[in-house]
Amino acid sequence: EDQVTQSPEALRLQEGESSSLNCSYTVSGLRGLFWYRQDPGKGPEFLFTLYSAGEEKEKERLKATLTKKESFLHITAPKPEDSATYLCAVQAMDTGFQKLVFGTGTRLLVSP
Amino acid sequence: NAGVTQTPKFQVLKTGQSMTLQCAQDMNHEYMSWYRQDPGMGLRLIHYSVGAGITDQGEVPNGYNVSRSTTEDFPLRLLSAAPSQTSVYFCASRDRGNIANYGYTFGSGTRLTVV
Repeated sequence: EDQVTQSPEALRLQEGESSSLNCSYTVSGLRGLFWYRQDPGKGPEFLFTLYSAGEEKEKERLKATLTKKESFLHITAPKPEDSATYLCAVQAMDTGFQKLVFGTGTRLLVSP
Repeated sequence: NAGVTQTPKFQVLKTGQSMTLQCAQDMNHEYMSWYRQDPGMGLRLIHYSVGAGITDQGEVPNGYNVSRSTTEDFPLRLLSAAPSQTSVYFCASRDRGNIANYGYTFGSGTRLTVV
C-alpha cells in the first residue's frame, strides 16, 4: 500500500531561520511527488512536482529535493508569510493519473 | 478566470438528509477529483473523472455519488448523510495535456457538518 509520512507535524521558526521539512514515501514505482501549500480555510496550492531521484526545484525561498525514499522541502530565510501547512503527495506508476496519496502535512509557523 | 469554484462554503445537514456539493471549473480541464480532508488524516480521494461522461471510484467512495455531464461541472452527491461524513470537501482539476506540470488546482472547500 502506498504511504506518505511527513515530519515534523509542526515546526516553529524565527524569521530568517532556515530549516527543512521531510516527506518519506513508500510506493510501488513513483510516477511523481508533489508539494502543496495550504493556508487555513483554503484549498491546497500547488508548489512543485518531482519525478526522479536527484531532481531539485526552486521557487523563491523554497527548494524541493527528491531521493528514492524521501523528499525534502528546504525553506531558506523564511518570512512570516511562509506560515502555512505544507502537504506532500505521491502518485504511483501502477495507478491512474488521478490517484494521489497525501501525507498529513507539516504546520509551519514563522514568527517575526 | 475564477479557477475552481465550490458551493456552498458551509453546510449543516441532519443524519439521513441528502445534498449535492457543487464544483465548477472554467479552465477547460479534463481531469477533476473530489477529496475529503479530516483532522490527522491526509486528503483522501472520493471519486474522480477523466472527462465528461467518465467517472471512477477513489479510496473512500461509499456514501457518495458523482456524475459528469459537462467538462465544467463535477457535482458530488451525498445520498444519506451520516456523522462520519462530517469533513471538509475539496474539488480539484487538472489539465490532461500539461505533462510538465501534474499539479491540481483546488477549490476553497466546503465544510460539511452532519448532526
